[in-house]
Amino acid sequence: ILNVEQSPQSLHVQEGDSTNFTCSFPSSNFYALHWYRWETAKSPEALFVMTLNGDEKKKGRISATLNTKEGYSYLYIKGSQPEDSATYLCAFIVVAVSNFGNEKLTFGTGTRLTIIP
Amino acid sequence: KAGVTQTPRYLIKTRGQQVTLSCSPISGHRSVSWYQQTPGQGLQFLFEYFSETQRNKGNFPGRFSGRQFSNSRSEMNVSTLELGDSALYLCASTTRPSGGNEQFFGPGTRLTVL
Repeated sequence: ILNVEQSPQSLHVQEGDSTNFTCSFPSSNFYALHWYRWETAKSPEALFVMTLNGDEKKKGRISATLNTKEGYSYLYIKGSQPEDSATYLCAFIVVAVSNFGNEKLTFGTGTRLTIIP
Repeated sequence: KAGVTQTPRYLIKTRGQQVTLSCSPISGHRSVSWYQQTPGQGLQFLFEYFSETQRNKGNFPGRFSGRQFSNSRSEMNVSTLELGDSALYLCASTTRPSGGNEQFFGPGTRLTVL
């Protein structure tokens, strides 16, 4: 069974502060790591898809890094705003071992971020 | 471009009944995946379809089944409903099955089993 762990489970951050959280995953047979933002009453929305060790991606005030050798990814939010309040999900996928192999996204339970105005 | 749509959005059923949920992917997307979310659990993968073929299946009992039509629309069916099947069911589409492609999620169907 392939598990992905996210920490912390929840986080309260003052508006304007920066924050980060972690996604840990098995490092063997790694293929890709996804980050999604899921706001209440909306659909999960993709933030990043990362495949290369050392990869860093950025979208506005949000960035992510990836370490496939040790099996973790960090998501950073700079200068938190109320609209950043959401659950942040990571998911990983391993290299398929056959045409019908393990190519399925395994999601963590998420980090629930609340920005305090 | 229209997003992923799911119908119905809400559903109430009783134990023992069966239910069919529908998902229409983004135009041009041929891969559809289904997920279940229950309180305290992450998104649990149910199955993935591509070109009308099931490519992958999660660890769910045989009561959960699905199919995909030639227009890429997908349905999932749950037979003999149990209380534990109460959940949010999300579908997601992408152009083709590849871990390197972001998935586009629909709004979900909230199923309540009484």
